[in-house]
Amino acid sequence: GAGVSQSPSNKVTEKGKDVELRCDPISGHTALYWYRQSLGQGLEFLIYFQGNSAPDKSGLPSDRFSAERTGGSVSTLTIQRTQQEDSAVYLCASSFTGTESSGNTIYFGEGSWLTVV
Amino acid sequence: GNSVTQMEGPVTLSEEAFLTINCTYTATGYPSLFWYVQYPGEGLQLLLKATKADDKGSNKGFEATYRKETTSFHLEKGSVQVSDSAVYFCALEVTTGNQFYFGTGTSLTVIP
Repeated sequence: GAGVSQSPSNKVTEKGKDVELRCDPISGHTALYWYRQSLGQGLEFLIYFQGNSAPDKSGLPSDRFSAERTGGSVSTLTIQRTQQEDSAVYLCASSFTGTESSGNTIYFGEGSWLTVV
Repeated sequence: GNSVTQMEGPVTLSEEAFLTINCTYTATGYPSLFWYVQYPGEGLQLLLKATKADDKGSNKGFEATYRKETTSFHLEKGSVQVSDSAVYFCALEVTTGNQFYFGTGTSLTVIP
């Protein structure tokens, strides 16, 4: 696609329910990132996928959070038993690392706004 | 470890004022450095970047110079406009694994 696509754009869920957020990266991009942006806060790294390598999950805040990337393309971030503190904008981004060792531009989606009530 | 520290906001300036947003970093190896901008109601987008020491990135009147000796990448603009009101994020990309690290963002409001 032309850009990074995320769905849903807005999600209101009840506390304790599970949610799935989807990210469709730019075609051909090998790297995919999930970040969280809470109201008035900066970007919090969650997880990073690079090609066929094992994902860097070091930013996931608890075991209620998980993510997968199928076929090296679409990714799903799953939050189980949601809590009110999970309310935030979840941003997905992708980049094409190619032959450049660095200086790769990272492209962001519009984000998925999650509200847990 | 790798991290980015940028000045806290919010910053409020009058139109045509000079802007500096400080950014310093800690990184292993030789990272690339970036400034991303998030305009109200929009997603983050690249503003400028520099991939090696002493490089200057520039775009839309904004500039930042990669200073290895001070591990800094301060964002500057000589004369801000109302349309520059946004949140600005400093970021680095490490060469091993191409992981990105972002600062907490600095909110800028420019008043006429």
